[in-house]
Amino acid sequence: GAVVSQHPSRVICKSGTSVKIECRSLDFQATTMFWYRQFPKQSLMLMATSNEGSKATYEQGVEKDKFLINHASLTLSTLTVTSAHPEDSSFYICSAPTGKIGSPLHFGNGTRLTVT
Amino acid sequence: DAKTTQPTSMDCAEGRAANLPCNHSTISGNEYVYWYRQIHSQGPQYIIHGLKNNETNEMASLIITEDRKSSTLILPHATLRDTAVYYCIVRVKNTGNQFYFGTGTSLTVIP
Repeated sequence: GAVVSQHPSRVICKSGTSVKIECRSLDFQATTMFWYRQFPKQSLMLMATSNEGSKATYEQGVEKDKFLINHASLTLSTLTVTSAHPEDSSFYICSAPTGKIGSPLHFGNGTRLTVT
Repeated sequence: DAKTTQPTSMDCAEGRAANLPCNHSTISGNEYVYWYRQIHSQGPQYIIHGLKNNETNEMASLIITEDRKSSTLILPHATLRDTAVYYCIVRVKNTGNQFYFGTGTSLTVIP
């Protein structure tokens, strides 16, 4: 089945530094990938849509300059949290569709970011 | 957007069938219903999806009402490992493939 791999699974960084999270589709090509954020005991919130070869589309209220998204190839999208603050600590999850109409999204296992 | 409504939490005895309801009264004719579950600190796991007909796979069954305004996910023989948050999602077709998650149902399987 379709597999989405996310790396790292867990990262701790200091305030003011930047952190990059990778999302890869392992056995299919994804022209689009989606990034979600989840705070403790809350549901997943869609942050942005990553588009291969073009700019990402951000959901309302998500700062594009803070959450940089790059989709450089058909199998890789990256999310960079810039100048991280403790309030950016969260569970970040990526997903990708396989492309067939009606097909489900496949999700990575998430990245737990802790900013100290 | 077609929104979904699910009970916040449910309990189910181990070995019994777990029936998780979902209301999606504003669903459009060509929108699919998807079910995912999320175990703590993991990414969502796909369970099943359907359009109009009832569906069954190795994990669960999906029953969609004839008017498509609601559906029920059935786990036929719940185990302790089925304890998770279950999300019912209707794909919003006119905004692409994005999935917008509701609050889900926290299912606890009791020994």
